[in-house]
Amino acid sequence: ILNVEQSPQSLHVQEGDSTNFTCSFPSSNFYALHWYRWETAKSPEALFVMTLNGDEKKKGRISATLNTKEGYSYLYIKGSQPEDSATYLCAFSGGFKTIFGAGTRLFVKA
Amino acid sequence: NAGVTQTPKFRVLKTGQSMTLLCAQDMNHEYMYWYRQDPGMGLRLIHYSVGEGTTAKGEVPDGYNVSRLKKQNFLLGLESAAPSQTSVYFCASTRSLEGGAGFFGPGTRLTVL
Repeated sequence: ILNVEQSPQSLHVQEGDSTNFTCSFPSSNFYALHWYRWETAKSPEALFVMTLNGDEKKKGRISATLNTKEGYSYLYIKGSQPEDSATYLCAFSGGFKTIFGAGTRLFVKA
Repeated sequence: NAGVTQTPKFRVLKTGQSMTLLCAQDMNHEYMYWYRQDPGMGLRLIHYSVGEGTTAKGEVPDGYNVSRLKKQNFLLGLESAAPSQTSVYFCASTRSLEGGAGFFGPGTRLTVL
């Protein structure tokens, strides 16, 4: 059974704060690790895909790192803005399928 | 390109009724997935397909069947709906596993009374 875990479950921050979330995943049968952003009443949108140990990806104020040997990835948001409020999902691809964690719900207060 | 479409968008069923959800993609993707979304549980994989004519079980397959007779379509069937199947169902497709779940459809909100 593949287990993808995310922490924390939810996070409340003030505008301007920097924050980070954790995703842990199986270290066997690894193919790729993905981060998605999911706003209420919309469909998830892909942020990053990482395939190699040590990969780092960045898009604006959001960045992510990957450690496949120990089975974790971090997502960082620098200078959070209210529009960053969403659920951030990580997903593990391996064995021909993609399994999601339960997500971290981020609330950014202006 | 329409991307990934799902029909219907909403449906209310009575316990024991059957229905089929249709997912269609026009991107020539090989991989297609059906997920269900429940509060506090993120997205859970029901069934998936790695190509036309293939299907496989995901994390929560019980009570569902699927078919992929044409590459562009992935059907999810509920033979005898139960209240526990009340959920939002998302279909997704991707060209390869590197795309993860890839592109998502808009979701189908199903209520079983």
